[in-house]
Amino acid sequence: DAGITQSPRHKVTETGTPVTLRCHQTENHRYMYWYRQDPGHGLRLIHYSYGVKDTDKGEVSDGYSVSRSKTEDFLLTLESATSSQTSVYFCAISEVSKGTALHFGNGTRLTVT
Amino acid sequence: DAKTTQPTSMDCAEGRAANLPCNHSTISGNEYVYWYRQIHSQGPQYIIHGLKNNETNEMASLIITEDRKSSTLILPHATLRDTAVYYCIGPNSNSGYALNFGKGTSLLVTP
Repeated sequence: DAGITQSPRHKVTETGTPVTLRCHQTENHRYMYWYRQDPGHGLRLIHYSYGVKDTDKGEVSDGYSVSRSKTEDFLLTLESATSSQTSVYFCAISEVSKGTALHFGNGTRLTVT
Repeated sequence: DAKTTQPTSMDCAEGRAANLPCNHSTISGNEYVYWYRQIHSQGPQYIIHGLKNNETNEMASLIITEDRKSSTLILPHATLRDTAVYYCIGPNSNSGYALNFGKGTSLLVTP
């Protein structure tokens, strides 16, 4: 899948614990994104990055933070996980900002109990 | 944001053309329309995108109306493996880069 690896693929955690999801790319693409997917909502953008140390919020960013210290890695952190953050999380990358495809990873299924 | 409207679900017989419509009346003149699909719980897969002209690739054709208010994705010879949720997408106005995914059309290809 276009050189995108998400880890872990599955995780079960307890409410109140911190969780970090990792997205690693080997394509050297500038733009990286985190989406979550829930039944009835489709995919919703959490955060995105337009370069190293350059990130911004998406439509459902509350409760999440991100970091991008190098081109290939984009980390999504839930500082204190809640049950409402149970979801499937997808990372995506793109080479340029417009007129190009987003390529998605295979997702991380997170369950917060 | 560039909002899109798609039917919730469609059926298509195997071997026939699947024509998936999308209304995107709010999309501006310099914004692309993108189509993706998602099979089961896999990550969305890029299909095609266009700005003004019709586009064709190995997967599908995209027909965009002259006023750019709507488009149709055509899978010329649908197979059972084309059963998926198809998303017609415009850009996210906040980010300028990321895409706004709606709920898509669930396409069922039947034998």
